Amino acid sequence: QVQLVQSGADVKKPGASVKVSCKASGYSFTGYGISWVRQAPGQGLEWMGWISTYNGNTKYEQKLQGRVTMTTDTSTTTAYMEMRSLRSDDTAVYYCARDHNGGADFDYWGQGTLVTVSS
Amino acid sequence: EIVLTQSPGTLSLSPGERATLSCRASQSVSSNYLAWYQQRPGQAPRLLIYGASSRATGIPDRFSGSGSGTDFTLTISRLEPGDFAVYYCQQYGSSPPVTFGQGTKVEIK
Repeated sequence: QVQLVQSGADVKKPGASVKVSCKASGYSFTGYGISWVRQAPGQGLEWMGWISTYNGNTKYEQKLQGRVTMTTDTSTTTAYMEMRSLRSDDTAVYYCARDHNGGADFDYWGQGTLVTVSS
Repeated sequence: EIVLTQSPGTLSLSPGERATLSCRASQSVSSNYLAWYQQRPGQAPRLLIYGASSRATGIPDRFSGSGSGTDFTLTISRLEPGDFAVYYCQQYGSSPPVTFGQGTKVEIK
């Protein structure tokens, strides 16, 4: 069965970087793109960007451009999201999600990774 | 960027009742690329509807989506206990960026 399993919760200080992993299994990894979506406490969903697992092409939300990098390792079927220069308002649950049939709707989601940014 | 506005913010209903949720876009959604998700507390979102009206795999037929252009609706015909959750609409026709509505909470009356 399709699964996306993310790395565990993390606590970072302002200005630091974080890298969240998303291990995919149960399907052909390079056949579906991966997006990252975050959710601040008590808030709605915010799309952060997308990566093609086939060729590594990326699209990022404009306001995060320069602070976020998405990568994949096809040998381990794992996607990564790295964010730099963390601020307190980056505190959120970060989700990876699989494209649905080539579109940018998402049929499978990881369990979420809580990243807390606090001094 | 397409802004999605969901209404109402909160819907208070009883089990067995019908729920009607609205999602309005600031401009026309290309090819009706509009999806609906359910999110229960502490869980990841779950895809319910894609392409404005197609049910995702395993979604019961009491969930239905309709609409086109800028106005979309999610209807839950008879609420069951597990349906009390937050629902988000999402447009993916004009991306980047993909955008989500702010959510509608369906709570038990």
